[in-house]
Amino acid sequence: QVQLVESGGGVVQPGRSLRLSCAASGFTFSNYGMHWVRQAPGKGLEWVAVISYDGSNKKYADYVKGRFTISRDQPKNTMYLQMNNLRPEDTAVYFCAKDVVGRGGYSLWYFDLWGRGTLLTVSS
Amino acid sequence: IQMTQSPSSLSASVGDRVTITCQASHDIRNSLNWYQHKPGKAPQLLIYAASNLETGVPSRFSGSGSGTDFTFTITSLQPEDIATYYCQQSDVLPLTFGQGTRLDIK
Repeated sequence: QVQLVESGGGVVQPGRSLRLSCAASGFTFSNYGMHWVRQAPGKGLEWVAVISYDGSNKKYADYVKGRFTISRDQPKNTMYLQMNNLRPEDTAVYFCAKDVVGRGGYSLWYFDLWGRGTLLTVSS
Repeated sequence: IQMTQSPSSLSASVGDRVTITCQASHDIRNSLNWYQHKPGKAPQLLIYAASNLETGVPSRFSGSGSGTDFTFTITSLQPEDIATYYCQQSDVLPLTFGQGTRLDIK
């Protein structure tokens, strides 16, 4: 079954760290770039980060740069988001999403498969 | 690139034609995608590259536009279309979404 399943969310205090996971199945994980997208309570979707198919390139939104690290473990078909120095404004449902690859093998930066998300609450 | 989506909410009757617009702050060519999101579920890609229907998506959904102005249309609203819809530009990083349009049944 083609799916993405996020895990690792929870309640953490400001300044603490947490790692989210995204388990992929049903497709060749190592062929695709992967993204994290979040949705704060009552708000819209907000892009967080992307990692290339082979893990060699990573890009971040300014509001997480220097605090969050995206990574992937190909043999485990799993992507991660290490989140440090968490802030209350990081409170959100975090979705992982699969990139679409164009004919030239490059990422097209839109998402044809999403997970259901995992909720992170940053609060004292 | 900022994406301005309107309206923010919309109430329509079953069978109605529904239109949502999305405006980009810069020319994004046809790098515009539309998603449907229902609470507690995974978002779903409906339209990619402005006007291409994703496989398996009903043909009542369509998209058009290029450059800075884009339109998403549902030709005959169905009860299962109740959701929030988002546009997303895929031209440059950081990727950005519109604010969303919450659609419900009148």
